[in-house]
Amino acid sequence: EAQVTQNPRYLITVTGKKLTVTCSQNMNHEYMSWYRQDPGLGLRQIYYSMNVEVTDKGDVPEGYKVSRKEKRNFPLILESPSPNQTSLYFCASSLSPPTLAGRNSPLHFGNGTRLTVT
Amino acid sequence: GQQLNQSPQSMFIQEGEDVSMNCTSSSIFNTWLWYKQDPGEGPVLLIALYKAGELTSNGRLTAQFGITRKDSFLNISASIPSDVGIYFCAGQLGSWGKLQFGAGTQVVVTP
Repeated sequence: EAQVTQNPRYLITVTGKKLTVTCSQNMNHEYMSWYRQDPGLGLRQIYYSMNVEVTDKGDVPEGYKVSRKEKRNFPLILESPSPNQTSLYFCASSLSPPTLAGRNSPLHFGNGTRLTVT
Repeated sequence: GQQLNQSPQSMFIQEGEDVSMNCTSSSIFNTWLWYKQDPGEGPVLLIALYKAGELTSNGRLTAQFGITRKDSFLNISASIPSDVGIYFCAGQLGSWGKLQFGAGTQVVVTP
């Protein structure tokens, strides 16, 4: 089944303890992206990747790192989490950037990771 | 910062009624996308718009890309209980990879 898989679904951690949220897709998609969802703010893009070894900042990259060593995986790393990073995180992928006309390349989202930093 | 204004923030409607929501931007967007998020899940694409003035339907859903390229609307006709969820507009701003979302419209449908 074609899907985007995030792990873990729920995570509670303490300030400063490094963590990684994994994201994997099995659709051979080139484009992958991370978002955080907060009440009243919608989804805000953290980082995106157009292809292997190509990553770029989104609107809210501070405090996060990503890597794209292989096409299928796009982990999100919080080196020193802080309480303001408590949020619902979504990974997404598409065959090509979702805004390119004529590509019919919808963004597929994972089911989310709810992170609480105390 | 966020440059998309989505309204209304929430809607409580009766089954069978039509729903309308819109997004406006201070910047010109090249693409407008509409997504729906069901509780506990990630958003799913409903309609994609790539050209100013474009009007596209998907079943009971209709969306339009505004002529000024700074706005878009989504209509749902004859709402049913499964239309419940959060609807997001999204648009490309800047490079092809950057996608910005509105704050969402929460739709509640009562029988």
